[in-house]
Amino acid sequence: GENVEQHPSTLSVQEGDSAVIKCTYSDSASNYFPWYKQELGKGPQLIIDIRSNVGEKKDQRIAVTLNKTAKHFSLHITETQPEDSAVYFCAAGDTGRRALTFGSGTRLQVQP
Amino acid sequence: DSGVTQTPKHLITATGQRVTLRCSPRSGDLSVYWYQQSLDQGLQFLIQYYNGEERAKGNILERFSAQQFPDLHSELNLSSLELGDSALYFCASSPRGGTGGEETQYFGPGTRLLVL
Repeated sequence: GENVEQHPSTLSVQEGDSAVIKCTYSDSASNYFPWYKQELGKGPQLIIDIRSNVGEKKDQRIAVTLNKTAKHFSLHITETQPEDSAVYFCAAGDTGRRALTFGSGTRLQVQP
Repeated sequence: DSGVTQTPKHLITATGQRVTLRCSPRSGDLSVYWYQQSLDQGLQFLIQYYNGEERAKGNILERFSAQQFPDLHSELNLSSLELGDSALYFCASSPRGGTGGEETQYFGPGTRLLVL
């Protein structure tokens, strides 16, 4: 089955800096890569996703890049703010599998 | 707010007991997924239902079962509970779920289960 590895497990940045979280996946059939943000006591919230026919996608301060050849994808957050502090999860899915496979999560702390 | 609702928010029970967790998907969504989140295991897929039928199974224990009703709400039943079943249980929904793995899933707020 699919295996998704996520790094780093914790990340601390200063407000205004950029943050990058990286994930690798094992199944070349995976073609859907969402990112979720989970705040304390809440469920995961989709923040951005990318499909395999696209190499990069941006939404304001958030961007995701995908390298299908290397089987890795990354989340980039620019101009970080304290409210960006949360746990971020990457995931991978494909047509054949019925569910998403999640990475282990990255705890992002933005220091004011 | 994702539009997915889960009840109860918290549940405290004893080992050996049985509990039922409830999930209502977003309006119009046909698929419901159940995930377990524990500290050392991350988010683990348990089971998926699509329009009332079981579609996929993940790492779901035999002591656990689920169903989806005609109104599309779903229930996850956990029986013979053990200390290790303490975790957050999330429900997610998606519009079709025919494929599931490539469809956006929207998560509910979760049910925190504590087994003493």
